Amino acid sequence: EVQLVESGGGLVQPGGSLRLSCGVSGFTFSSYEMNWVRQAPGKGLEWVSYISSSGSNIDYEDSVKGRFTVSRDNAKNSLYLQMNSLRAEDTAVYFCARERQTSGFDSWGQGTLVTVSS
Amino acid sequence: QSALTQPRSVSGSPGQSVAISCTGTSNDVGGYNYVSWYQQHPGKVPKLMIYDVSQRPSGVPDRFSGSKSGNTASLTISGLQADDEADYYCCSHAGYNSHWVFGGGTKLTVL
Repeated sequence: EVQLVESGGGLVQPGGSLRLSCGVSGFTFSSYEMNWVRQAPGKGLEWVSYISSSGSNIDYEDSVKGRFTVSRDNAKNSLYLQMNSLRAEDTAVYFCARERQTSGFDSWGQGTLVTVSS
Repeated sequence: QSALTQPRSVSGSPGQSVAISCTGTSNDVGGYNYVSWYQQHPGKVPKLMIYDVSQRPSGVPDRFSGSKSGNTASLTISGLQADDEADYYCCSHAGYNSHWVFGGGTKLTVL
């Protein structure tokens, strides 16, 4: 069974940092591109970051460029999102999502809540 | 990258059909056949319903279908059922600087 489990969320002050993790099982992690998607309370889905299967290609949504860093450890079946200089508008549930070969996120974690507030 | 445009809400009665539109530009929806659709019930994780514009993952009923014309993609749900009441989001590839972009979401109400 495919499983994705996020961790690392919590309450952080503006300007602070958090590192999210996504542990996966049930599939060959190193064969899949992965993404982070977030959802602010009561709002829609927003794509945040992409990383290729090898980690050599990376993309970010404009508002997080320069502040967030995505990475992966294929030996540990884990995906990460280092979030620095956090802002109130980064408050959201963060999902890790597996990307199909062409389009579509076919497996999602349960999400981890990040709250940026003083 | 601007979000794709979806109607905020649509509604239909059980057994009827509804269509949800998703309008982008030639840089996203119109430029790639990489549109996907997601269903999200309140408090739940999004579920992939359509990928590559019109393909259904295994387990998704054939009542759900997708299409695209120009810069607008559509999700059609036929034979509406009570459990179809949810939020629906489209998503498109947006090139290699922006990668993916979502629509703002559409709330489907089954009357």
